[in-house]
Amino acid sequence: KNEVEQSPQNLTAQEGEFITINCSYSVGISALHWLQQHPGGGIVSLFMLSSGKKKHGRLIATINIQEKHSSLHITASHPRDSAVYICAVKGYGGSQGNLIFGKGTKLSVKP
Amino acid sequence: DSGVTQTPKHLITATGQRVTLRCSPRSGDLSVYWYQQSLDQGLQFLIQYYNGEERAKGNILERFSAQQFPDLHSELNLSSLELGDSALYFCASSVAGANNEQFFGPGTRLTVL
Repeated sequence: KNEVEQSPQNLTAQEGEFITINCSYSVGISALHWLQQHPGGGIVSLFMLSSGKKKHGRLIATINIQEKHSSLHITASHPRDSAVYICAVKGYGGSQGNLIFGKGTKLSVKP
Repeated sequence: DSGVTQTPKHLITATGQRVTLRCSPRSGDLSVYWYQQSLDQGLQFLIQYYNGEERAKGNILERFSAQQFPDLHSELNLSSLELGDSALYFCASSVAGANNEQFFGPGTRLTVL
């Protein structure tokens, strides 16, 4: 079983729809990252959070430490949101002190 | 633009060869991380340097090595290359340790023929 599980693996939405991507993890963490990888390959950090909720524009990220679960929401989705969204967690200490990645959710938003 | 630069952008080489990938972190960032992204394995952490010292090691093969220089740029050396080493190699940097947000470079696409 992977330490970081994302769902769904693939998601197709119509422009304007509300989108939710889920991330569950099995290890103790000090932080969780949401990353966006564009079709060209570049990776952009969207959020880093360790508790509660963060919002940036149309993007909202939440985390529930007790449930070991995080969600990334996109409101009023747009074709330019089409990308792979990757959840990554930072464990504690040693080699676990760096990021463990989920396999990503590929989002396609149709006009 | 994240402020992290990587060279070269693309690299095509043959099995058995050795290559060096270069990364310059954002100005002021002391930590550099190297990641490998292959089609079957996804993103994997390789190694982290902080202010010139190795800080953490992940799934890095013995054929691979890295270092961070006094000017904080970093190099990842891959030797005795195999077909399976073909992947995207990303460098990221952060102000301090891995509890800080990481900024990713554009990646180097390595193809081993």
